[in-house]
Amino acid sequence: DAMVIQNPRYQVTQFGKPVTLSCSQTLNHNVMYWYQQKSSQAPKLLFHYYDKDFNNEADTPDNFQSRRPNTSFCFLDIRSPGLGDAAMYLCATSRGQQGQETQYFGPGTRLLVL
Amino acid sequence: SQKIEQNSEALNIQEGKTATLTCNYTNYSPAYLQWYRQDPGRGPVFLLLIRENEKEKRKERLKVTFDTTLKQSLFHITASQPADSATYLCALAAGGTSYGKLTFGQGTILTVHP
Repeated sequence: DAMVIQNPRYQVTQFGKPVTLSCSQTLNHNVMYWYQQKSSQAPKLLFHYYDKDFNNEADTPDNFQSRRPNTSFCFLDIRSPGLGDAAMYLCATSRGQQGQETQYFGPGTRLLVL
Repeated sequence: SQKIEQNSEALNIQEGKTATLTCNYTNYSPAYLQWYRQDPGRGPVFLLLIRENEKEKRKERLKVTFDTTLKQSLFHITASQPADSATYLCALAAGGTSYGKLTFGQGTILTVHP
């Protein structure tokens, strides 16, 4: 049974056209993360939620926003996608936010910007 | 700044041999080190976690070592199989009771040839 679900799996958008990626989880975990991963690179953390508390990484562009309306769902909004935003976007969850917590990843959404 | 380096982007071995992957880090004193497996077009999947006070951890055909003096972790897959072919990511996190961000390496692509 899928535990972290991401929709859509593939998303094509136009340069500058807002896009929203979604993530849901059935694990009832407190923490949800959004990572950006480009080809042959490490996943890069954009932000995370601990419950309702939003934590932005210092180098995450303002173009990226997130919403977590409830425990199960989290959204990534890209306000004005540029060509450089084409990447795989990974959602992950963990029970707590300490360093020893295992993270559970979804299958990812591959974003293409035309 | 923190830096994580995983050995050679790609590692090719014959079925039945032991694969050894390296994760080196600098400017960091992690309390936890995790290894994940990532298949093409999929999200990472957790494999093993090792703590700074542990020298070695095993799980079935997998073995991880953690040398805080050398600032290095080795990940071994014994009796490798073609199904072990994937990208393997190491990830480091700080200790403590507050937020421990997981920082990923860029991964090593392992190919096991029949």
